[in-house]
Amino acid sequence: AQRVTQPEKLLSVFKGAPVELKCNYSYSGSPELFWYVQYSRQRLQLLLRHISRESIKGFTADLNKGETSFHLKKPFAQEEDSAMYYCALYTGAGSYQLTFGKGTKLSVIP
Amino acid sequence: DVKVTQSSRYLVKRTGEKVFLECVQDMDHENMFWYRQDPGLGLRLIYFSYDVKMKEKGDIPEGYSVSREKKERFSLILESASTNQTSMYLCASSLAASGLRGQETQYFGPGTRLLVL
Repeated sequence: AQRVTQPEKLLSVFKGAPVELKCNYSYSGSPELFWYVQYSRQRLQLLLRHISRESIKGFTADLNKGETSFHLKKPFAQEEDSAMYYCALYTGAGSYQLTFGKGTKLSVIP
Repeated sequence: DVKVTQSSRYLVKRTGEKVFLECVQDMDHENMFWYRQDPGLGLRLIYFSYDVKMKEKGDIPEGYSVSREKKERFSLILESASTNQTSMYLCASSLAASGLRGQETQYFGPGTRLLVL
């Protein structure tokens, strides 16, 4: 069965510092990976997906199949980046589901 | 713009009560999901539905049931609420038929925070 691991429950960084939220997955096929974000008092929403290869709000994530990782990065953290971040995996193999990690709470210190 | 709405933002119920949580989506999505969100445990899938009257158990279905009589509406039912069901409940929907890539993005409702006393 597939699994998504986010090793950090909480990550605190200073404003302007680089950010890396870690995500590792286990799945033998070709997954699609996503990052979802939940800002305070807002609904959970898609931040980015690996197939789009895009940068959203300065965040990027590269799928590394060799290391089975999909870390989320931003070179300079902003206070408004403080939120809960979830990594998610979609197998597409007869499945309708996303498998979510347990989430990392990012706190950006002013 | 996809809109997923949930009937209540906050609910307080007593142990043993039957609880209904309603979710409605307005984008003709095939799939609908119910999760509970707990600190340190992330999102855990309770049930999902890929078509009207169809349902599948997720990871933690015990103590819950669901109903999908219309495509746009997916209800979560707590048959006899217990204190360990105090949680934030999130509903989501997605367009995809199974295996169709690019349509699996899930759109979430605002959540219902349930307190069982």
